[in-house]
Amino acid sequence: QQQVKQSPQSLIVQKGGISIINCAYENTAFDYFPWYQQFPGKGPALLIAIRPDVSEKKEGRFTISFNKSAKQFSLHIMDSQPGDSATYFCAAVTGGGNKLTFGTGTQLKVEL
Amino acid sequence: DAGITQSPRHKVTETGTPVTLRCHQTENHRYMYWYRQDPGHGLRLIHYSYGVKDTDKGEVSDGYSVSRSKTEDFLLTLESATSSQTSVYFCAIRRTGDSLGYGYTFGSGTRLTVV
Repeated sequence: QQQVKQSPQSLIVQKGGISIINCAYENTAFDYFPWYQQFPGKGPALLIAIRPDVSEKKEGRFTISFNKSAKQFSLHIMDSQPGDSATYFCAAVTGGGNKLTFGTGTQLKVEL
Repeated sequence: DAGITQSPRHKVTETGTPVTLRCHQTENHRYMYWYRQDPGHGLRLIHYSYGVKDTDKGEVSDGYSVSRSKTEDFLLTLESATSSQTSVYFCAIRRTGDSLGYGYTFGSGTRLTVV
């Protein structure tokens, strides 16, 4: 049972375009929603995160949109670049920070 | 990254043999985690530790055990390796008091193949 559902599984975007990755959750006890970026051969690295009392958070070209009533959140990558090509994971945290649950991942490829 | 070292980086082992993976941290964090990464599943929590000799199970703990005799080391043991345990294993630490809330940092992973 996947507690955090992520889509799409893979995504191809042209350079300069907008990449959008969506996630949905069921457990209302989740209280922190991070996104991780992973390059081949490396561990996931924290990209951006949001708490459910905020509807949007922006850091540079990366924006999280959060809809608490729909239990959905998404990552938007503006002006996507080839260097953004990686696997992206949404995640959710509960248990006072002890339980980090991942989505299944989205493999993003940004083409020239 | 963040003083986390996983060893070995790659290992091939035979079915039925015990295998131990090591995670070493240099920053004295209390919380340490072991995850496995498989296509179509993301990363799933195996076990975690909240202090020396204090551990708890995650969602995929069957067939795995852990030990933490020192703050800096967290060991993951596959008691009798099976092909279904072929995976990439990641260790993570969690910073407390992080401005972002819950700051997890991952190691570079161990690729384990069970033949």
